[in-house]
Amino acid sequence: NAGVMQNPRHLVRRRGQEARLRCSPMKGHSHVYWYRQLPEEGLKFMVYLQKENIIDESGMPKERFSAEFPKEGPSILRIQQVVRGDSAAYFCASSPARSSGRDHEQFFGPGTRLTVL
Amino acid sequence: DQQVKQNSPSLSVQEGRISILNCDYTNSMFDYFLWYKKYPAEGPTFLISISSIKDKNEDGRFTVFLNKSAKHLSLHIVPSQPGDSAVYFCAAPAGGYNKLIFGAGTRLAVHP
Repeated sequence: NAGVMQNPRHLVRRRGQEARLRCSPMKGHSHVYWYRQLPEEGLKFMVYLQKENIIDESGMPKERFSAEFPKEGPSILRIQQVVRGDSAAYFCASSPARSSGRDHEQFFGPGTRLTVL
Repeated sequence: DQQVKQNSPSLSVQEGRISILNCDYTNSMFDYFLWYKKYPAEGPTFLISISSIKDKNEDGRFTVFLNKSAKHLSLHIVPSQPGDSAVYFCAAPAGGYNKLIFGAGTRLAVHP
């Protein structure tokens, strides 16, 4: 399966716990994006990363949220001390380097549904 | 600050007829638009796109029209099929690279 992989697909946490969401981009893709979708809303951009670099984190809440995309391994979205308002679907997307013709297209993973009790 | 708007949360169409999904935008700097389709419990999948230098792009049953003066685009599906039932998102890249700004989506139901 050469698609974007996300795990876990479902994650339940109690208030105050930490949530770690993982994303493995498509093979050959070096750009990763995280989006959040609240119920009945569209996807909202959170952060854009390349290997070992955060390019744009303008959509990330100022506290408790962090993201990384290490040289080896998946990208991680980390939410510390989760609150009920963090309950949402979190989608990861990837794209190749900007040398391709359709460089605006992003390929999305199946998402992680986070539920905070 | 909702730069991409989809004002119809839902649309119901009979199988075989045309489905028209609408999208408005406010940022005149947008130069490319994409439509994504999303089934429940899955991620969005790319459907069709259009550059601002064009006013129409067609791919099989799917056609996207762009009216730059009105800052409006629409997705036409003809003929509609039950398998087209999904949520459709309009999106535009912003920030100089691939940060996508999404509309709220329109839920299309195609019934027999």
